Amino acid sequence: GENVEQHPSTLSVQEGDSAVIKCTYSDSASNYFPWYKQELGKGPQLIIDIRSNVGEKKDQRIAVTLNKTAKHFSLHITETQPEDSAVYFCAASNMNAGKSTFGDGTTLTVKP
Amino acid sequence: EPEVTQTPSHQVTQMGQEVILRCVPISNHLYFYWYRQILGQKVEFLVSFYNNEISEKSEIFDDQFSVERPDGSNFTLKIRSTKLEDSAMYFCASRTGSPGNTIYFGEGSWLTVV
Repeated sequence: GENVEQHPSTLSVQEGDSAVIKCTYSDSASNYFPWYKQELGKGPQLIIDIRSNVGEKKDQRIAVTLNKTAKHFSLHITETQPEDSAVYFCAASNMNAGKSTFGDGTTLTVKP
Repeated sequence: EPEVTQTPSHQVTQMGQEVILRCVPISNHLYFYWYRQILGQKVEFLVSFYNNEISEKSEIFDDQFSVERPDGSNFTLKIRSTKLEDSAMYFCASRTGSPGNTIYFGEGSWLTVV
C-alpha cells in the first residue's frame, strides 16, 4: 500500500519568514495530494491540493509543488503569521480509490 | 458552507461497552469515510463506504467495528466491545462522486475508553 513520509516533524519560524514542509510517497498510482491544517481539537481542514497533471499550484501565501518522478511534494507558506501555527498533514491518494494516506504531520510554530 | 457534522463531540465509555459515533455527511456527497487519530499521532484510515457498502477497510477495522448508513443521511461507526486502545479522535469524512477527490472532514468525536 501507499506510504507517506513527512518532514520535518516540528518547524519553528519567525513571523514573516517562509516555511517549507516536504513529503514523499511510494505508490506511483497516487495522483492526488492534499494538504490539511489541523488546529488543536479540530478536524483536518483542506488548505490546498494538487493533482498529478500539475507541477505547481499557488493560493495566496500557500503553494504546493509536485515532482512525480521523484515522488515528492512540498508545501510552501510565505510571509508566515502566528495564526498559521498548527499541525500540517500531507496526504496521498488515488482519485479512483478515494482513501487518503496521511503523513505523520508537522507542527508549525510561528513566533511573533 | 456545507460541512460534515459529528456527534457526540466527546464520549467516555467503560471498556467492553458498545459505542456508536454518528455523522451527517455533506448532502450531495456519495463517498463516506471514517478515520482515527490517536492523541499526538497521524490520521489513520479506517473504512470507506460507497453505494451502501464498504468499499475498502484497513487492518485496524476488525470485527469489532461496523458502519451503517441507516436512513440516507446519517453515517455511523459502531465499536461493539471497546478496548482501551480504541481511545482516539474519530473523524468522519465525505466527498462527492466526481474524481476531484477533495475529502471534507468533520470536527471529530473524541472517544475515551476507561
